Amino acid sequence: QQQVKQSPQSLIVQKGGISIINCAYENTAFDYFPWYQQFPGKGPALLIAIRPDVSEKKEGRFTISFNKSAKQFSLHIMDSQPGDSATYFCAASGGALSGSARQLTFGSGTQLTVLP
Amino acid sequence: GAGVSQSPSNKVTEKGKDVELRCDPISGHTALYWYRQSLGQGLEFLIYFQGNSAPDKSGLPSDRFSAERTGGSVSTLTIQRTQQEDSAVYLCASSYVSSGASEQFFGPGTRLTVL
Repeated sequence: QQQVKQSPQSLIVQKGGISIINCAYENTAFDYFPWYQQFPGKGPALLIAIRPDVSEKKEGRFTISFNKSAKQFSLHIMDSQPGDSATYFCAASGGALSGSARQLTFGSGTQLTVLP
Repeated sequence: GAGVSQSPSNKVTEKGKDVELRCDPISGHTALYWYRQSLGQGLEFLIYFQGNSAPDKSGLPSDRFSAERTGGSVSTLTIQRTQQEDSAVYLCASSYVSSGASEQFFGPGTRLTVL
């Protein structure tokens, strides 16, 4: 019930291409879906987040697409750059009402490499 | 302002020894989390502190793990009688919790190696 499944495990994209990372969840109580970016030796940093009342959120080159009925969400990185090379994690939490549900359940991560 | 800080950045210990990992959250953040990241894996929730409420310890893998948060600020994660499978990066995060989920800010982590 608490699992978040992420794919692919690794992704290689040419500079300027589109990177797409997918996640699926099981727990219908999740209501907050962030994506984190992590560089080697650093802690994860929030990239973009979405709540299930919208189907898409865009911030610059980064877009989250959310499909509530399928319990899936994805990250799209447009015009991918070598500086985007990092590990990306999707996550989910129960959010609003339950204090104990605020912890994030993470996917297993995607190692993105953008070739120059 | 300063972000979440953790110390030490690296810790090498021998099997069976106890270790303490420290986290200084962002000032004013009421919530503090500990996660564990094993090599090549996602982050695994360990424990959550929110204000003066009892902590949520549901993610602690065994009774060798414990954590406390003093004065609503600094937190210490203690691992007793360390085992090789405890080797991982231990990450601390903090957030300001209002009426809903909010961004968790992560520290750089402590890399623990148990020989």
